Amino acid sequence: KNEVEQSPQNLTAQEGEFITINCSYSVGISALHWLQQHPGGGIVSLFMLSSGKKKHGRLIATINIQEKHSSLHITASHPRDSAVYICAVLSSGNTPLVFGKGTRLSVIA
Amino acid sequence: GAGVSQSPSNKVTEKGKDVELRCDPISGHTALYWYRQRLGQGLEFLIYFQGNSAPDKSGLPSDRFSAERTGESVSTLTIQRTQQEDSAVYLCASSLAGQGNGYTFGSGTRLTVV
Repeated sequence: KNEVEQSPQNLTAQEGEFITINCSYSVGISALHWLQQHPGGGIVSLFMLSSGKKKHGRLIATINIQEKHSSLHITASHPRDSAVYICAVLSSGNTPLVFGKGTRLSVIA
Repeated sequence: GAGVSQSPSNKVTEKGKDVELRCDPISGHTALYWYRQRLGQGLEFLIYFQGNSAPDKSGLPSDRFSAERTGESVSTLTIQRTQQEDSAVYLCASSLAGQGNGYTFGSGTRLTVV
């Protein structure tokens, strides 16, 4: 079993829909990252969370440490949101991130 | 620099040749990481540096792979006698020491072994 599980693996949405991507992990963590990867491979860090909730524009990330679960929400989705969204956890300090397999999102106009 | 810089952005090499990939981390980031992403697959960890030393080399796939870092700055990942299965995007990231934040990825080097 992977340490970091994401769902769904693939998601197709109509423009304007509210989108939720889920991440569950099995290890103790010091932080969780949500990353966005566009075609072409570039990775952008969207959020780093260790508790609670963060919001940036139309993106919202939440984490429940007790339940070992995080969600990434996109409100009013747009075709430019189409990308692979990756959840990654950091167990401590400078240890490498452990990645989920990603969720491929396609938003159709 | 303002971000993590990787070079070259694309590299096509013949099987059996050696290649060197370069990563310039954000100034002041003492932790530096190398990851690999093969086509259609997830990210896999290769090696990480704290300063100039590498506490964790567990992800290096074979002895053809090596990496070094000098001056707590630039890192090079060297692949000797490249094989077709080495074809991938090689990503570098850096972060502030002792913290999980400030994690910043470079845009990667796309390596194609023909």
